[in-house]
Amino acid sequence: DVKVTQSSRYLVKRTGEKVFLECVQDMDHENMFWYRQDPGLGLRLIYFSYDVKMKEKGDIPEGYSVSREKKERFSLILESASTNQTSMYLCASSSLAGVVNEQFFGPGTRLTVL
Amino acid sequence: RKEVEQDPGPFNVPEGATVAFNCTYSNSASQSFFWYRQDCRKEPKLLMSVYSSGNEDGRFTAQLNRASQYISLLIRDSKLSDSATYLCVAVTDKLIFGTGTRLQVFP
Repeated sequence: DVKVTQSSRYLVKRTGEKVFLECVQDMDHENMFWYRQDPGLGLRLIYFSYDVKMKEKGDIPEGYSVSREKKERFSLILESASTNQTSMYLCASSSLAGVVNEQFFGPGTRLTVL
Repeated sequence: RKEVEQDPGPFNVPEGATVAFNCTYSNSASQSFFWYRQDCRKEPKLLMSVYSSGNEDGRFTAQLNRASQYISLLIRDSKLSDSATYLCVAVTDKLIFGTGTRLQVFP
């Protein structure tokens, strides 16, 4: 079974803090994604990556950055957390670089910014 | 207009009932679709893929109507464990998620 893990299930940070969300997958998938999920808005794509050291902006990249130094790890960085970044953050991975197909999700990180 | 639209529900049905959800999509270039299931406070998990006119997996049937641009999910003989939110996903150059339809099955 594909396993996608995220570093924290719940996280509370203060406005202005730098926040790191880590995601690791163990199935040698090429593609990795970061989404946020908010009530009434569904899942929105923040950033994605099809290869190591490669990154592409999704639909809502503002206020976020990412890092992919190793194939299995994709990090989401909030440079200066704000209250409107309070959300559920979901990491996902899929196989076949650049091919849009089924994605496997991690358990999510519920981030609260005070 | 949202690219993928779903009735948020909730659909409250008794055990054993048959229930159907519809999902409409706006991009006619979408060639394939997914239904994901998401339990409360959990991650989405793939329920089924829809690549042509439809797909069937046990009690679950998905149908695709390209002319009218909608996909349906039919659940027969509902179980308590089917209670969840069902996300419709259209595939273009990325996955486009609907906001989900909530199903509550009661005894």
